[in-house]
Order: sequence, then structure tokens, then C-alpha cells
Amino acid sequence: RKEVEQDPGPFNVPEGATVAFNCTYSNSASQSFFWYRQDCRKEPKLLMSVYSSGNEDGRFTAQLNRASQYISLLIRDSKLSDSATYLCVVISPYNNAGNMLTFGGGTRLMVKP
Amino acid sequence: GAVVSQHPSWVICKSGTSVKIECRSLDFQATTMFWYRQFPKQSLMLMATSNEGSKATYEQGVEKDKFLINHASLTLSTLTVTSAHPEDSSFYICSAEQSSYEQYFGPGTRLTVT
Repeated sequence: RKEVEQDPGPFNVPEGATVAFNCTYSNSASQSFFWYRQDCRKEPKLLMSVYSSGNEDGRFTAQLNRASQYISLLIRDSKLSDSATYLCVVISPYNNAGNMLTFGGGTRLMVKP
Repeated sequence: GAVVSQHPSWVICKSGTSVKIECRSLDFQATTMFWYRQFPKQSLMLMATSNEGSKATYEQGVEKDKFLINHASLTLSTLTVTSAHPEDSSFYICSAEQSSYEQYFGPGTRLTVT
């Protein structure tokens, strides 16, 4: 089982739709979580951190469920410009020597007119 | 803020030559930088963690003698692909850690080895 798993998609949705992605992680000691957005042939860009209490930034809402070990990203009122690959990132303790950063495989979103 | 640059953005080289890629944090100091490789339609694969003033930590399966990493200052890390071969052709991306584990990525370097 992969440490961080995402449904690769693609998720094809019409403009204006609400879409949600989940990302599951296997290490219960994981401590920090992020969502990144990556456009085709470009570098990932930080979209938002994920806080235990959940957090919202405009049309984007991120939530963390520690009991079930997953994080989610909800996008409301999808725009064409939201089309991208969304990567979840999990920070976990590593061999008592620091922290390890693990990327999920990414979920591809395609918003259609 | 939190800008990371990479140079070059695109390079074509002949098989057997070496290529150096620079990663700079422009407006913050980064004790830790990371190097990733990404093949088409695949996710990022961490190659190594670069700590200023110390040896890089390589992920399993990454040859440290082939991918030389030098993190000489708090704003610069370099990755040298030695004796490059066509299978090394990929998109190489660096990132720098600013705070609270937030990663900021460089724009990437597309390497093509002919």
C-alpha cells in the first residue's frame, strides 16, 4: 500500500460544479498536510495548508480527518482555470532524524465549459 | 515572497556529458532544499534532500555518484547529472523549505539527453 494515495482521475466536471478530492495516508504519526496544484509541464504550487479544524480559502475548502487518515479538498463553483493536477503532501516523522515529505500521485481535474 | 528560481530552465546535452542545475531561494534562506524528478504523466519523485553545509541524503535507488548535490549556502543548491544518458531525460524540480514544512518549488529544468 502506498503511503499517500489519491484517485488519479481524471475528474471531468462542468463549469460551476462542486468537486471533492480525497487523499489517504498510512502513517498515523503524520503531522502536516498540504494541497498543491500542478499545471501541465509546470512546477507544483502551494494551494493551501490543511489544518486540523479545517480551513477555507475562497472557493477552496480543505479538511483533515485524523481518525480515518485522510485529507480532502473541496472546490466550489469550478472554473475552467481550475483544470490542473492536485497533489496532496503529507509530512511524517522519519527515523527519529527529522521529517519525511511524501507526495500523493495527484488527481487530475478537467473543468469543461 | 517565497520565490525559488532554477537555471537553466531547459537543456539539451549529448550522452556522456554532465549538466549542472542551480536552485536558488531568492527572498528567503533555506536550510533544506529538495530535488525531485518527474517523468511525463507521473508524480514527483524525491531524489534527495539537501542540507546546507552537509551531505545530501539520497532516496533509495538514486545514485549519489551520478547525481551530485552541493548545498553551499542558504540560498543555493546545485544538482549535477554526471555522464548523462537518455534515460536521465526528465523534468527536474527543486524546492526550498521556508517554514512549517511549506515547500516552494522552482520552475523546473527540462533535461533532454540525446
